[in-house]
Amino acid sequence: AQKVTQAQTEISVVEKEDVTLDCVYETRDTTYYLFWYKQPPSGELVFLIRRNSFDEQNEISGRYSWNFQKSTSSFNFTITASQVVDSAVYFCALKLGNTGKLIFGQGTTLQVKP
Amino acid sequence: NAGVTQTPKFQVLKTGQSMTLQCAQDMNHEYMSWYRQDPGMGLRLIHYSVGAGITDQGEVPNGYNVSRSTTEDFPLRLLSAAPSQTSVYFCASIESSGAGGELFFGEGSRLTVL
Repeated sequence: AQKVTQAQTEISVVEKEDVTLDCVYETRDTTYYLFWYKQPPSGELVFLIRRNSFDEQNEISGRYSWNFQKSTSSFNFTITASQVVDSAVYFCALKLGNTGKLIFGQGTTLQVKP
Repeated sequence: NAGVTQTPKFQVLKTGQSMTLQCAQDMNHEYMSWYRQDPGMGLRLIHYSVGAGITDQGEVPNGYNVSRSTTEDFPLRLLSAAPSQTSVYFCASIESSGAGGELFFGEGSRLTVL
């Protein structure tokens, strides 16, 4: 069975703190894709990153970085020097290689206080 | 470029009423899908379509019907609305099922069933 677990329901930090959002996935497929989406208070889903199962290279984009480890089936997301505008719900999702279905985690609500 | 367009954005229904959520994409994507978002549960797949004339059930299909007469449109029908269908609904599309690209989401439709 395929599953995505985001164990952190809510996280609250003070601005400029670093914060890591955890994502653990389960699948027996060898070809899959992992995604992170941001959902700000306005409600839309904003695509952040896609990583395929054959590419374990970590990625950094500005204050955002992602750590993909197949050995622990994790795809964690770190925000460095958090800002109030980072306050949102963040979803991790798994897509199998031969389907268009996304399997979402429960989401982590991040609150960044000034 | 409009991307994925959902209408209406907000709707209030009484129990037993019927309605259709519209979804249209202008990217010539083969694959389209509907998700519902409920607090603490992430997004769950309702129905999906891999091409015109082909639809299939997702994780939570009960109470919903879909059809795909054209590549562009994928409406979601509630035949007899129930309070349990109060949710936020997202339509999404991707170029094809096996593609590793991102899913493009509509802005969401908030439905309340009284």
